[in-house]
Amino acid sequence: DTAVSQTPKYLVTQMGNDKSIKCEQNLGHDTMYWYKQDSKKFLKIMFSYNNKELIINETVPNRFSPKSPDKAHLNLHINSLELGDSAVYFCASSQSFPAAQETQYFGPGTRLLVL
Amino acid sequence: QKEVEQNSGPLSVPEGAIASLNCTYSDRGSQSFFWYRQYSGKSPELIMFIYSNGDKEDGRFTAQLNKASQYVSLLIRDSQPSDSATYLCAVKGGSGGGADGLTFGKGTHLIIQP
Repeated sequence: DTAVSQTPKYLVTQMGNDKSIKCEQNLGHDTMYWYKQDSKKFLKIMFSYNNKELIINETVPNRFSPKSPDKAHLNLHINSLELGDSAVYFCASSQSFPAAQETQYFGPGTRLLVL
Repeated sequence: QKEVEQNSGPLSVPEGAIASLNCTYSDRGSQSFFWYRQYSGKSPELIMFIYSNGDKEDGRFTAQLNKASQYVSLLIRDSQPSDSATYLCAVKGGSGGGADGLTFGKGTHLIIQP
């Protein structure tokens, strides 16, 4: 069984389109995240959701909107896609307590290419 | 601005030798420290975490933490070609509680030469 899964695995689209990426975890964790890994392989936090509540929004353009229908799912909707949005987007999950020992488990990634 | 610094490499180590990977971080309030391994085209995979000063060993891997120097390292003993990957140092702050995101370094590309 895949612990953290994402769909789609690959996404090729035109500038200006709107697209969504879905994430599901079956680990029973209460916190989920979206990370972006750019072409230079730098991995950066975008959002953190704890029990369906947004905790972190790290200077992400408001074209990106996360939605968490329940603790096991965190989707990412992107409006008006731009060339600079091309990257690999990773979903991750963790258990928030005990905080000092929390480990984040990553999904396989969604490779987004904006043309 | 929280920062995590790593030497990007590549770091080339002969098979069977010890590979030493280093990382420094800027936020003194950081609570937990992680090493992830990422193969090309794959997702980050946890190798070890450490949150107390000193050494922590797990098989061929040893993580070392020195909070006074804001320094974390990972030693890989008896390096194997399969250890060739990018190693990401990640730090979790203490301000946001358990739902803090990780701040990653840019990774060190390790090559184990057969």
